[in-house]
Amino acid sequence: AQSVTQLGSHVSVSEGALVLLRCNYSSSVPPYLFWYVQYPNQGLQLLLKYTSAATLVKGINGFEAEFKKSETSFHLTKPSAHMSDAAEYFCAVSDRSGANSKLTFGKGITLSVRP
Amino acid sequence: ETGVTQSPTHLIKTRGQQVTLRCSSQSGHNTVSWYQQALGQGPQFIFQYYREEENGRGNFPPRFSGLQFPNYSSELNVNALELDDSALYLCASRPTGQVGEQYFGPGTRLTVT
Repeated sequence: AQSVTQLGSHVSVSEGALVLLRCNYSSSVPPYLFWYVQYPNQGLQLLLKYTSAATLVKGINGFEAEFKKSETSFHLTKPSAHMSDAAEYFCAVSDRSGANSKLTFGKGITLSVRP
Repeated sequence: ETGVTQSPTHLIKTRGQQVTLRCSSQSGHNTVSWYQQALGQGPQFIFQYYREEENGRGNFPPRFSGLQFPNYSSELNVNALELDDSALYLCASRPTGQVGEQYFGPGTRLTVT
């Protein structure tokens, strides 16, 4: 079975500071990996995805993530935080089977950005 | 804007009642999944439908059921509502031939009292 661990439930950074949100996964085979963002009272928006090839993935709003197989990690980073980045962030994993696209999510991390 | 819509936005029901939530996805999105997101938690997979048949189910009891229709709409039905069913219910669709990525709707907030 696949699983996702997101360490820490809350991260607080100053505006302009580096954002680092951690995600580790457990899977018997290399999975697909995703980061989603959820703003208050809204659904999930895809930030970026890793499906194959390039291990450094660039997403929307200046976010990027690096897939490290040896560490089973897929940490999300952004060089300079903006106030509008304050939201809930979820890491998710999916197997590579086309028959079942079930996503397994972590518990999420709340990102706060201080002025 | 993902093109996935859900209705209603909010819903209040009493324990023991039944509820139907609706989702409409884009043309060509043959796979639809439903997720339950309890407060402060990540979404949990309920089940998935492909071409109007269930082809995957998470750890949810049979009182959670669904339907998918040829016009790319779908329903989530929950019978005998329990207080713990209070959550945000998310619908997600996936285009035919695209593996992994799913497009989420805004969700329906269900409160069971």
